[in-house]
Amino acid sequence: QVQLAQSGPEVKRPGASVKLSCRTSGYLFNTFYIHWLRQAPGQGPEWMGMIIPTGGHASYAQKFQGRVTMTMDTATNTVYMEVRDLRPKDAGVYYCAREALTTPPLYGMDFWGPGTTVTVSS
Amino acid sequence: QSVLTQPPSASGTPGHRVTISCSGSRSNIETNYVYWYRQFPGTTPKLLIYRDDQRPSGVPDRFSGSKSGTAASLAISGLRTEDEADYYCAVWDDSVTGVVFGGGTQLTVL
Repeated sequence: QVQLAQSGPEVKRPGASVKLSCRTSGYLFNTFYIHWLRQAPGQGPEWMGMIIPTGGHASYAQKFQGRVTMTMDTATNTVYMEVRDLRPKDAGVYYCAREALTTPPLYGMDFWGPGTTVTVSS
Repeated sequence: QSVLTQPPSASGTPGHRVTISCSGSRSNIETNYVYWYRQFPGTTPKLLIYRDDQRPSGVPDRFSGSKSGTAASLAISGLRTEDEADYYCAVWDDSVTGVVFGGGTQLTVL
């Protein structure tokens, strides 16, 4: 069955970096985009960017360009997202989600990981 | 402040129909497909509608999506108490070159 297994909770100081992982299984890795989103407490999801599994090209939301890097490891079908220079308002739950690889994307994020809680506090 | 505007709350009675609106602009809703997600407290979002009005396998036909111009809506008919959740619209926005979400609508079934 499809699984998006995300790494465990993180507690970071302001200014630090965090690298989150999303290990996929149960489907052909190179047939789905992987999106990263985050959700602050009481807020809606916020899209951070996406990575194309065929080649590893990533597109980032303008807000996060320069502070976020998405990478992947095809040997383990795992996608990573590093967020640098963390601020308290970066706290929240970070999700990875897949979408069928079509150009343009047409099918929506049909499967989400359970999320990783990131706490940013001094 | 979200690029897409949704009413913060909506309500309906069991068995009746409710509609949730999502207002955007030419660079998002008018030009690109709209998606709807449902989220129960403490759980992950689930895709309800894709490509404006298509239902993924397993989503009951009580849920329907529509779009006209710069606005989209999600209709839920035959309301059930288990429909109580937060509902979000999402769409690609050409002006920011990314996916944008509405602020969400909390549905209460009275």
